[in-house]
Amino acid sequence: ILNVEQSPQSLHVQEGDSTNFTCSFPSSNFYALHWYRWETAKSPEALFVMTLNGDEKKKGRISATLNTKEGYSYLYIKGSQPEDSATYLCAFVQGGSEKLVFGKGTKLTVNP
Amino acid sequence: EAGVVQSPRYKIIEKKQPVAFWCNPISGHNTLYWYLQNLGQGPELLIRYENEEAVDDSQLPKDRFSAERLKGVDSTLKIQPAELGDSAVYLCASSGGTSGRTDTQYFGPGTRLTVL
Repeated sequence: ILNVEQSPQSLHVQEGDSTNFTCSFPSSNFYALHWYRWETAKSPEALFVMTLNGDEKKKGRISATLNTKEGYSYLYIKGSQPEDSATYLCAFVQGGSEKLVFGKGTKLTVNP
Repeated sequence: EAGVVQSPRYKIIEKKQPVAFWCNPISGHNTLYWYLQNLGQGPELLIRYENEEAVDDSQLPKDRFSAERLKGVDSTLKIQPAELGDSAVYLCASSGGTSGRTDTQYFGPGTRLTVL
């Protein structure tokens, strides 16, 4: 059974704060890592697909890094806004598999 | 571009009743996924279709769950009979590339099922 862990489970920050959270996954037989954002009552939205060790991706104020050798990815949000409040999910893809294995998510609340 | 459409958004039924969920993927997307999300957990794949063929249904509990994707477009997921433990969010997603590993999956808003 693949273990994809996300921490923290939940996070409360003030508007304007920068924040980051972690996705840990098996370091062997890595193929890809996906990040999604899921706002309440909406559809999960794709943020990034990362495949190479050392990859850094950026979308507006959100960025992500990938370390496949040690099995983790960080998601950073710079200058958090209330509209960033959502659950952030990562999903690991193992080599030889077509399946995304999701973590439980980090629930971010940004207070105005 | 219209997104993935799912209906109903919410469904409340009594245990042992049947229930069906419907999904219309993004036009032109050949791959369709059904996921189950239990409270406090990440989504788990139930079944993946490539066009009308179910290419991965290893996680689908076949004693009570069934799915179909007629003509390789819309899909229906059915539970009969529903059990209390089936209360969850059922998500549908679609993708249009050739690699399930790196293609972006576009999700619908999900159907929240409550079994009483």
